[in-house]
Amino acid sequence: LAKTTQPISMDSYEGQEVNITCSHNNIATNDYITWYQQFPSQGPRFIIQGYKTKVTNEVASLFIPADRKSSTLSLPRVSLSDTAVYYCLVGSMDSSYKLIFGSGTRLLVRP
Amino acid sequence: NAGVTQTPKFRVLKTGQSMTLLCAQDMNHEYMYWYRQDPGMGLRLIHYSVGEGTTAKGEVPDGYNVSRLKKQNFLLGLESAAPSQTSVYFCASSLALKGNEQFFGPGTRLTVL
Repeated sequence: LAKTTQPISMDSYEGQEVNITCSHNNIATNDYITWYQQFPSQGPRFIIQGYKTKVTNEVASLFIPADRKSSTLSLPRVSLSDTAVYYCLVGSMDSSYKLIFGSGTRLLVRP
Repeated sequence: NAGVTQTPKFRVLKTGQSMTLLCAQDMNHEYMYWYRQDPGMGLRLIHYSVGEGTTAKGEVPDGYNVSRLKKQNFLLGLESAAPSQTSVYFCASSLALKGNEQFFGPGTRLTVL
């Protein structure tokens, strides 16, 4: 299963766009990419998921280049409430189910 | 809809004691999971279930047992707790096993002395 690498932490200011990049060099053909958000003392919450190119929903966009060895979560115009840990996951589509959570990226949004 | 609930929220055990963590979901999901999260780390899968009466091992299953007697409930048991099992435990559920959103509970903070 593909291991993911993310920056340990990032700082931003309210109103800015934040891009968090995840590296997954060994992603397999049928693997998909998912991002979760976790606030302190809460369970993770699904943000977005994609397989290739670009996916957009009401809270974020996910950019995946053609080689799929990395992906970028884009949060438009962040607010203080976006301060959280963000996890990039690569999910296997083979018969042995596994989802691997890395250490995540701690995003701090400042006023 | 309560979503995914976990009982208890906090628990302190002594080494060697046993306990059961209860997870319940009201979304009629087939798949349920138990994870543990240690400080500064991501979640690690302990066991999961693809339906009532079925369970399977995840990444870190040793020292834990699970049961899925009813579709809506997934129990995690510690037969003889060890300090290494001090962690926050999260339960999750999803409609499908792969490529689908998992819904997480609020977690159970367990301390083993």
